[in-house]
Amino acid sequence: AQTVTQSQPEMSVQEAETVTLSCTYDTSESDYYLFWYKQPPSRQMILVIRQEAYKQQNATENRFSVNFQKAAKSFSLKISDSQLGDAAMYFCAYRSGNTGNQFYFGTGTSLTVIP
Amino acid sequence: SQTIHQWPATLVQPVGSPLSLECTVEGTSNPNLYWYRQAAGRGLQLLFYSVGIGQISSEVPQNLSASRPQDRQFILSSKKLLLSDSGFYLCAWDQGRRTNEQFFGPGTRLTVL
Repeated sequence: AQTVTQSQPEMSVQEAETVTLSCTYDTSESDYYLFWYKQPPSRQMILVIRQEAYKQQNATENRFSVNFQKAAKSFSLKISDSQLGDAAMYFCAYRSGNTGNQFYFGTGTSLTVIP
Repeated sequence: SQTIHQWPATLVQPVGSPLSLECTVEGTSNPNLYWYRQAAGRGLQLLFYSVGIGQISSEVPQNLSASRPQDRQFILSSKKLLLSDSGFYLCAWDQGRRTNEQFFGPGTRLTVL
């Protein structure tokens, strides 16, 4: 099974500053999809951003962007102009493009935003 | 639009009691359905997934079972709860296409005493 590693259990950022959350994954596949989910205190999981492995261009959604390094199997999330509402657990997830239906999730990074 | 419901929202059960958590999806047909468990401070562990009625795949051998009696209904059950079954249970669905995200329900917090 694929593994997804988030090496930062906790991170903090000053409001309006930029923070980068790390994610690495292990796979032998060439076709796959990567996702970042946000889980605020309400526990509702919300998709933040997704990246198709075949696309070289990094995905961007407003203040959220990724740095996708396919050769290094790295998929970091950058949050610009951090807001108090960004405080949450962030999970990186992997999905195969070929086999199976399941997502593989990392253990999460808890982000604190300091006013 | 599609919505996903889970109930109950919270549950406190004694060790050895049965369990039934329900998940239903509205606004879509033939979804893939998933049960995850999230232990405190940890990631999501996939427990079961289903690609159709009566089709259940188990990812982790355990004290739990799942059933899909209807296209948009997914049930997580146990005959006898263990202390280790405590956690936050999330149901999710997707359309099966690889590009698609999974959509999550609001979750059920289960405490086994």
